[in-house]
Amino acid sequence: QKEVEQNSGPLSVPEGAIASLNCTYSDRGSQSFFWYRQYSGKSPELIMFIYSNGDKEDGRFTAQLNKASQYVSLLIRDSQPSDSATYLCAVYLDRGSTLGRLYFGRGTQLTVWP
Amino acid sequence: SQTIHQWPATLVQPVGSPLSLECTVEGTSNPNLYWYRQAAGRGLQLLFYSVGIGQISSEVPQNLSASRPQDRQFILSSKKLLLSDSGFYLCAWQRGLGSYEQYFGPGTRLTVT
Repeated sequence: QKEVEQNSGPLSVPEGAIASLNCTYSDRGSQSFFWYRQYSGKSPELIMFIYSNGDKEDGRFTAQLNKASQYVSLLIRDSQPSDSATYLCAVYLDRGSTLGRLYFGRGTQLTVWP
Repeated sequence: SQTIHQWPATLVQPVGSPLSLECTVEGTSNPNLYWYRQAAGRGLQLLFYSVGIGQISSEVPQNLSASRPQDRQFILSSKKLLLSDSGFYLCAWQRGLGSYEQYFGPGTRLTVT
C-alpha cells in the first residue's frame, strides 16, 4: 500500500478557473502535509504546507486538510498558464526510526490553457 | 537566507564509471540533508539522509553511497555506475527537529550510457 496517492492526471483547466488537486494518505500517524510544484526539468519547489485540520490560504493557493478522511487538497484560484506543472503531495511521518521522513506522491500534472 | 547548491547540473557517464555528486547548503547550521532520485516517469525515491557530520542512513540497498564530510556538505558517490542509475538526483535540506519542510536544490541530471 502506497503511503501517498495522487491522481496522475493530466488535469486540464482553462485560464481563470479553479484547479483542484487531491491527495490521500494511508497512515493516520502522518503529521504534516506539503505541496510542491515541479516545472518540467526543474526541481520541486515548496508552495504550501499545512499541519492542522481545515484550510490554509496563501495568495491564490488554498490547502485543505481533513485528517479524519486522510485527505489533503490544493486549490489554485484564478489559474494561470504559468501554473502548468506537476504538483507533488508529501506527508511527514515519523515511525519511531532515527529520523522521520517525507513520503511523496507521484504527482498530478496540471495544464492551464489560455 | 538559505541557499542550496548542486553540481554538476548535468552529467553523462558510461556504465562502470565512478560518480561523485556534491551538494552544499549556505545560510544554516546543522541541517538534515537528503538525497533523492527521480527516474523518468517515476516518483521521488529517498536514497540517503543525514542528521550530522559522518551520520548517514540508507533507505535502499544499491551501488550508491553517501558521505557528509562537513556540516553543510553532502556527497553522493558510486564506484561503478549502472544503466539503472540514470535519473534526476536531488539534494534537499531540512532545518531540523520540529521543522519538517524540505527544500530542494536545482538537481543533477545523470545519464548513464
